[in-house]
Amino acid sequence: GAVVSQHPSWVICKSGTSVKIECRSLDFQATTMFWYRQFPKQSLMLMATSNEGSKATYEQGVEKDKFLINHASLTLSTLTVTSAHPEDSSFYICSARSGEAKGGGNTIYFGEGSWLTVV
Amino acid sequence: AQSVTQPDIHITVSEGASLELRCNYSYGATPYLFWYVQSPGQGLQLLLKYFSGDTLVQGIKGFEAEFKRSQSSFNLRKPSVHWSDAAEYFCAVGDNQAGTALIFGKGTTLSVSS
Repeated sequence: GAVVSQHPSWVICKSGTSVKIECRSLDFQATTMFWYRQFPKQSLMLMATSNEGSKATYEQGVEKDKFLINHASLTLSTLTVTSAHPEDSSFYICSARSGEAKGGGNTIYFGEGSWLTVV
Repeated sequence: AQSVTQPDIHITVSEGASLELRCNYSYGATPYLFWYVQSPGQGLQLLLKYFSGDTLVQGIKGFEAEFKRSQSSFNLRKPSVHWSDAAEYFCAVGDNQAGTALIFGKGTTLSVSS
């Protein structure tokens, strides 16, 4: 079935550097992808909605310049954490919907998640 | 405001006993409801979803959930819990619009005692 893949699964970076996380829809086209952040033992918080070919829509409180989102194709969205700091350490998860919105509902898929540790 | 409430932060159930995890939602449009499970350090796995039709939905791993519109609830149940069911469970709500993200509850941690 349709799968959403994230890469890397784990990444450690130095404070002040930037790190990119990729989210790919493997066998369907996703005009919209979503990026979530999850702190340990907490729920998933929506960071932004990534729209193919246009600017991402960020949730209140999320810094656009810090969390850069690029959705350059119908199968790839990237999240770049710029000038990372230890407080950015978290679990980042992307999701995408396949199919058109119809009465039966379309299907939502989640990536495996990416653990970011900033040291 | 749109929201999902999972009243129980942590539940402990004996292995073999029945389980019910509560979920209440507040949503302006017709809700599409989901239950996900997350093991430590892992991503999300979809247990079941409700879009329309029969209000009792069956999912994987022996789970089921019942949509009750009058109570704005979508509780998750399992008749006999296994030790491997210990995990974090999230209820989520969305709609049928492709550009709408899911809203998640805070989650319920399930522990299984022997």
